[in-house]
This record gives sequence, structure tokens and C-alpha cells, in this order.
Amino acid sequence: GNSVTQMEGPVTLSEEAFLTINCTYTATGYPSLFWYVQYPGEGLQLLLKATKADDKGSNKGFEATYRKETTSFHLEKGSVQVSDSAVYFCALKGGNKLTFGTGTQLKVEL
Amino acid sequence: DGGITQSPKYLFRKEGQNVTLSCEQNLNHDAMYWYRQDPGQGLRLIYYSQIVNDFQKGDIAEGYSVSREKKESFPLTVTSAQKNPTAFYLCASSRLGQGDLQETQYFGPGTRLLVL
Repeated sequence: GNSVTQMEGPVTLSEEAFLTINCTYTATGYPSLFWYVQYPGEGLQLLLKATKADDKGSNKGFEATYRKETTSFHLEKGSVQVSDSAVYFCALKGGNKLTFGTGTQLKVEL
Repeated sequence: DGGITQSPKYLFRKEGQNVTLSCEQNLNHDAMYWYRQDPGQGLRLIYYSQIVNDFQKGDIAEGYSVSREKKESFPLTVTSAQKNPTAFYLCASSRLGQGDLQETQYFGPGTRLLVL
């Protein structure tokens, strides 16, 4: 079956640091890939997505590239802010279902 | 504004009691979903529905029931058979079909269920 593996958190960074959150997946066929963000006490918000190999999703300074050869979709941001503190979920869509990773908590400090 | 609403924000369940969580969307989406989120875990699919009066079990349907009498509404009932109901419940919706827009699920703000 499909599965998503994310790096464990929490990840603690200083403001303006570079962020990478690793995500790898196992799936049959050609799934679409997503990053969702969850702020404390709230639902999930779509951050970015990519629907085919070599696509780059980007939003609010975050980027992720769909790498079929390494089955990865790592999330990056060049300069994080305190307001980026949240839990980030990598997910893939195969058929009708979304499969989520366990989430990575990001804490950004001044 | 278009979106997904869930109510209540917090819900308390007594032993042996059934409780119902509400989910409404005005996005004109055909598909709706219920997920359960536990601390330190990803989201797990409980039930989903692609059309009115039809729904399918997800990965952890035992102890839950749903109905889809209207396109806009997909309530979830947590029955007394669910022995560990304390969790954060998230409802989502999406379009159906092929293409970029149909791929994305949009989430509501969630309901936190606590057992007394």
C-alpha cells in the first residue's frame, strides 16, 4: 500500500535560518504529492502541491520538488519566520485517498 | 465566504453515549471525508463519500457511522462501540474527476472530542 515517511520533529530553528523537512513516499503509479500545514488548534491548510514528476510546488516562500527517481518531496524555505511555527504534513493522493505522514513540528525562535 | 464548517469546536462524551459531529461545506464539492488525528500521528481516514446517499469505509471505520443525505452535509456519529474516541476530528471535501483542482482536499477547523 501507499505510505509516507517524514523526518521526526520537533525541528527548532532560529529566525532567518534555512529549513528542510524530508519526505519520502512509497506508492504504485503516479500519485500527486502535497504539503499541508497545521497551526495550533486548527485544521489543515494546503501549503503546496505537485501532480507529476519534476513539478515544483511553491507558496509563501516554501518549495518542494516532486522527485520520482528518489521518491521524495522535501519541503524547503530559505528564511523561516516565527510565524512559520506549525506542524507540517506530507501527503500523497493515490486513487480516492490521501495518505499522510506523521507530521513534523517546526519551532522558530527569535 | 466559501469553506467548510465543523461544529462544535469541543465536544464531551459520557460513557455509553453516542455523539454526532457536524460538517457542512458550501464549496459545491462532491466528495467529503472524515479523518481522525491523534497526537504524534498522521491523519487516518474514517469514512468518505463521493455522492449523496453513498459512502465507503476508510481505514478505521469501526465504532463510527456517517450519513450523506445532502451534498453539503456529512455528519459523523461516534458510537459507544468506539472505545477510545478522544481525538481531533477533521472533515474535508474535494471535487471529483481528473485534473489539478480535483486533486486537492480542503479541511475544516476540526472538532476536539473528549471523554468524561
